[in-house]
Amino acid sequence: DTGVSQDPRHKITKRGQNVTFRCDPISEHNRLYWYRQTLGQGPEFLTYFQNEAQLEKSRLLSDRFSAERPKGSFSTLEIQRTEQGDSAMYLCASSGKRAEAFFGQGTRLTVV
Amino acid sequence: RKEVEQDPGPFNVPEGATVAFNCTYSNSASQSFFWYRQDCRKEPKLLMSVYSSGNEDGRFTAQLNRASQYISLLIRDSKLSDSATYLCVVNLNTGTASKLTFGTGTRLQVTL
Repeated sequence: DTGVSQDPRHKITKRGQNVTFRCDPISEHNRLYWYRQTLGQGPEFLTYFQNEAQLEKSRLLSDRFSAERPKGSFSTLEIQRTEQGDSAMYLCASSGKRAEAFFGQGTRLTVV
Repeated sequence: RKEVEQDPGPFNVPEGATVAFNCTYSNSASQSFFWYRQDCRKEPKLLMSVYSSGNEDGRFTAQLNRASQYISLLIRDSKLSDSATYLCVVNLNTGTASKLTFGTGTRLQVTL
């Protein structure tokens, strides 16, 4: 499968714990995006990488959130001290020379 | 004002009907436009890009009006399998960053 893959698909964590999600983009894509989606809403932009550089970060991304793409390939999104409001689907997408982005299946986070 | 606005619906239409969705965007510098389809609890999938000249893919026709900052999607001869949420997406490329902004989506339910 050469599409975008995300791991894990589901994560249940206790409030206050840290969680880390991984995204492997389509191999030739240099752009990588993280989005968050809650029920009934469209995906909300969190952050954007071009190669290893994090070029844009949403105001939604509080200090508890950090994302990396160390070698310009896979990316990780970490949430520290999780809160119940962090419960959502976290989507990763990648794109290449064309602007069309392709999404992974997402990581569904539940904070209890 | 939201960056991308869509009527959330739901649109309930009988099989075989023609249905149109509209979307407006606020940033006149936006450069690329797309429609994505999202099934319940799944990731968004690219349906089609939208060009100023209008483009058609089978039963689907997309149109862009840059002057009015308006995008449309027309679905002819609706099928039950068209039932989904349709997301309007706008891309703003600043040269250093590329950001895809999603509308909240329009839900379509096609019935027998």
